[in-house]
Amino acid sequence: EPEVTQTPSHQVTQMGQEVILRCVPISNHLYFYWYRQILGQKVEFLVSFYNNEISEKSEIFDDQFSVERPDGSNFTLKIRSTKLEDSAMYFCASRVQEGGNQPQHFGDGTRLSIL
Amino acid sequence: RKEVEQDPGPFNVPEGATVAFNCTYSNSASQSFFWYRQDCRKEPKLLMSVYSSGNEDGRFTAQLNRASQYISLLIRDSKLSDSATYLCVVPFSGGYNKLIFGAGTRLAVHP
Repeated sequence: EPEVTQTPSHQVTQMGQEVILRCVPISNHLYFYWYRQILGQKVEFLVSFYNNEISEKSEIFDDQFSVERPDGSNFTLKIRSTKLEDSAMYFCASRVQEGGNQPQHFGDGTRLSIL
Repeated sequence: RKEVEQDPGPFNVPEGATVAFNCTYSNSASQSFFWYRQDCRKEPKLLMSVYSSGNEDGRFTAQLNRASQYISLLIRDSKLSDSATYLCVVPFSGGYNKLIFGAGTRLAVHP
């Protein structure tokens, strides 16, 4: 069964550094998402991406964050000048087509630890 | 009312028990709903989609009451492997269907 893959599985970074989290969505999917989950809290939406542009973003997704799909397969989340509070699990998800009844499929996440 | 609200649990049940989780949602325009399962420090995995009044998949039954904006998940004949956190998830109607997650209900099945 096709799956969403994410790398790295764990990233440890000094505060103030930039990190890039990578995702390879399922190949025929058209809608891409990033979510994060701070330890002990619920999963929160960050951004959605369709047709090579951001379609929606949350209040969390400020100028510190950016996404791109540079080569038609990888979907990346960049966090500039990381803060301690950016420590969380980051999940990438993808969905095949428009329609609220299509579920999103999640990658196994990147654990980001900011020191 | 919170966008998606769930019983926090934890529910501690013996193997073979039947257990039910509740979820309420605030957006009356929502059309579809999902139950995801999340193991400790793992990704959410789709358990069931709920489109109409409800559906059944083996030991799992999901029910939807649109008038009360209420969704439930029933697990029959609980197995040790059912121990996890169960997430009630509602796509935000409109836009690109970002998912709104409940905080989850933790289930612990013991021998």
